[in-house]
Amino acid sequence: GAVVSQHPSWVICKSGTSVKIECRSLDFQATTMFWYRQFPKQSLMLMATSNEGSKATYEQGVEKDKFLINHASLTLSTLTVTSAHPEDSSFYICSASAGGTGINQPQHFGDGTRLSIL
Amino acid sequence: GENVEQHPSTLSVQEGDSAVIKCTYSDSASNYFPWYKQELGKRPQLIIDIRSNVGEKKDQRIAVTLNKTAKHFSLHITETQPEDSAVYFCAASRQRGNYQLIWGAGTKLIIKP
Repeated sequence: GAVVSQHPSWVICKSGTSVKIECRSLDFQATTMFWYRQFPKQSLMLMATSNEGSKATYEQGVEKDKFLINHASLTLSTLTVTSAHPEDSSFYICSASAGGTGINQPQHFGDGTRLSIL
Repeated sequence: GENVEQHPSTLSVQEGDSAVIKCTYSDSASNYFPWYKQELGKRPQLIIDIRSNVGEKKDQRIAVTLNKTAKHFSLHITETQPEDSAVYFCAASRQRGNYQLIWGAGTKLIIKP
C-alpha cells in the first residue's frame, strides 16, 4: 500500500522550456503533497507544500512564479518548472501524505524526476 | 531556528555488526520522527518511525529510541547485511504545521563484507 507514482522519471530539454512533473497517489488519498529538490549527495530540500484545492505554501527562497504547483485532486499534484534554465537542473521528488487528521502521517515518496536543462 | 543534526555523515561497519545513527532536533514541539533509507538513485523509503509518546520502537533488526528531554533520537540496526548499505535520513515534524518535516543531512552507511 501507499504507492506514489511520479512522471516523468527523466527529462532533458532546452533552456527556456517549461516542464511539468506529475505526482500521483495510487492507492490512498493524499491530503498533503510535498515537493523536494535533492542535490547530489545532499539531503532533501523542501520546496513547497500543497493541500488539495488550495494554494501551495512555498519555502523561503523558492520562487512561486518559477515553480508552479497545482494540487487539483486528492490523488494528483503537479509541479511546473517554468522557463527552465541550466541552474534548475536537479533531482525533483514528490511525497504524499494522508495527514490532515491532526497528527503526522508518513510521507510516501515517488521515484523522482531527473531534470537536465541544456 | 528549526534544525535537525545527524551524525555521523559516513559510517562503515563490518557485516554482522551493529550500526547506530544519531539525530538531535531543536524544536521541542516536534512529535513525530521518521527514518528513511535511500539507495542510490532511488526514492527514500520509510523504514521506521516513532511518536513522542513512545520511547522505543522495534521492527526486526531495526529499532529507534527517543529521548524527549535531550531532544535526540537514534536508529539502531543490528546484524547488518550488505543490503543495508544506503543513505539514511532522520527527520522531525515541524511545529508550524501542515505536516512538514525537518530533515537531517543524511548518513551514508557502508557495510563491509
